[in-house]
Amino acid sequence: DVKVTQSSRYLVKRTGEKVFLECVQDMDHENMFWYRQDPGLGLRLIYFSYDVKMKEKGDIPEGYSVSREKKERFSLILESASTNQTSMYLCASLGVPTSYEQYFGPGTRLTVT
Amino acid sequence: GDSVTQMEGPVTLSEEAFLTINCTYTATGYPSLFWYVQYPGEGLQLLLKATKADDKGSNKGFEATYRKETTSFHLEKGSVQVSDSAVYFCALLTQGAQKLVFGQGTRLTINP
Repeated sequence: DVKVTQSSRYLVKRTGEKVFLECVQDMDHENMFWYRQDPGLGLRLIYFSYDVKMKEKGDIPEGYSVSREKKERFSLILESASTNQTSMYLCASLGVPTSYEQYFGPGTRLTVT
Repeated sequence: GDSVTQMEGPVTLSEEAFLTINCTYTATGYPSLFWYVQYPGEGLQLLLKATKADDKGSNKGFEATYRKETTSFHLEKGSVQVSDSAVYFCALLTQGAQKLVFGQGTRLTINP
C-alpha cells in the first residue's frame, strides 16, 4: 500500500521558532510537494521538488524553504515562524511519468502562538 | 496559465439526493483530469480520473466525464450518503507538467 507520511499530525510552536515539517514517501516518486490549506483559500502550493536537491517555488514560497537530500524525503522549513503561518500543511508525491496519481499525507496542523 | 474553476460551496443535501459538483478548466493541450476527496481530518485521496476526451472516471458511485467541447469535468452521484460528506477538489495535469493544478474545493455536507 502506497504511503506518504508526515512527521506530526499536530504541532504548536512559538513565534520566531524554526520549524521543520518532514515528509517521507515510499513509492520512489520523483516529484514531491508542500501545500498549505486554509479555509476559503483551497490548496496553495508552497514549494515542489522534481528531483533530489532540486526545488521550485510554488505560489506562496515567502517565509518558507525546503530541503530534499534524499528521494524519499522532502522537508519544509519555517525559518522564523509567524502567526500567519498557522495552517494545515499537506505533503504529496507524484510519480511522473509512471503514474499520474498524486498521493497525499494526512497533514500537519501547525499552530504558531 | 492553466486553471480550474469549481462551483462554490458549501453544498448541503439530504441523504439519497442527486449530486452534481461543477468543474471547468482552462489548459493548453490535452490535460488529464482528476477529482480528489478530503474526508474530515485526513489528507486528500484520489476519487477518480480521466486521461482523454470522452473518458468517464468512476469510483464509489461517483462519475465524471471528460468533456473537451465544454472544457468540463463535472462530478455526479445518483444517491448520496452521509459518509460522502467531505471536501471535493477538481484538478488537472497538463502533458509534460510536473504538478497538478487544483480548484478551490467544494465542501459537501449530507444530512440524514
